[in-house]
Amino acid sequence: DQQVKQNSPSLSVQEGRISILNCDYTNSMFDYFLWYKKYPAEGPTFLISISSIKDKNEDGRFTVFLNKSAKHLSLHIVPSQPGDSAVYFCAAGTPNKLVFGAGTILRVKS
Amino acid sequence: DAGVIQSPRHEVTEMGQEVTLRCKPISGHNSLFWYRQTMMRGLELLIYFNNNVPIDDSGMPEDRFSAKMPNASFSTLKIQPSEPRDSAVYFCASSLRGGYGNQPQHFGDGTRLSIL
Repeated sequence: DQQVKQNSPSLSVQEGRISILNCDYTNSMFDYFLWYKKYPAEGPTFLISISSIKDKNEDGRFTVFLNKSAKHLSLHIVPSQPGDSAVYFCAAGTPNKLVFGAGTILRVKS
Repeated sequence: DAGVIQSPRHEVTEMGQEVTLRCKPISGHNSLFWYRQTMMRGLELLIYFNNNVPIDDSGMPEDRFSAKMPNASFSTLKIQPSEPRDSAVYFCASSLRGGYGNQPQHFGDGTRLSIL
């Protein structure tokens, strides 16, 4: 039972354009959502988060949007850069647990 | 400031052998997590410690897996006996307050385990 789903295994975007990564969840008890980025041979690193009381959070080029009624969140990267090429994991949490999606490979072409 | 340190980085061993993975969390963090990453299932939580006490081990696949945290600066994940299907990358992470909210989990660089 996958409670957090990233339905796109990979995404390819031209440098300078917008990257949109999507994530769906099923458990309405989740009240905090996070995005992590992972480079090869390294551990995931925290990127940005959002509480369920908000619908948008921005940090520089990164914006996370939350649609609670649809149980959907997305990460927007604008403008995309080659260094953004990595695996992106979304995670959904309660005070006791974080559940991760399977990840989306982002490739930014120069 | 040192991050989460895992050892070994790579482990290759034969089926049936005991495997021990090690983790040193960030000093001051009171929560520690063990994850397994596979292509099919992504990042799966195996077990979670808070203040050295196991809180949730529902993700531990079976009795062949065990984890300990004898003190705040060290944890082990042991597989005995190992099987080829255990081959994966195993990550350790630590955090304050369970890695929830604005206290995210910090991950080590993982141990790539191959069971032949």
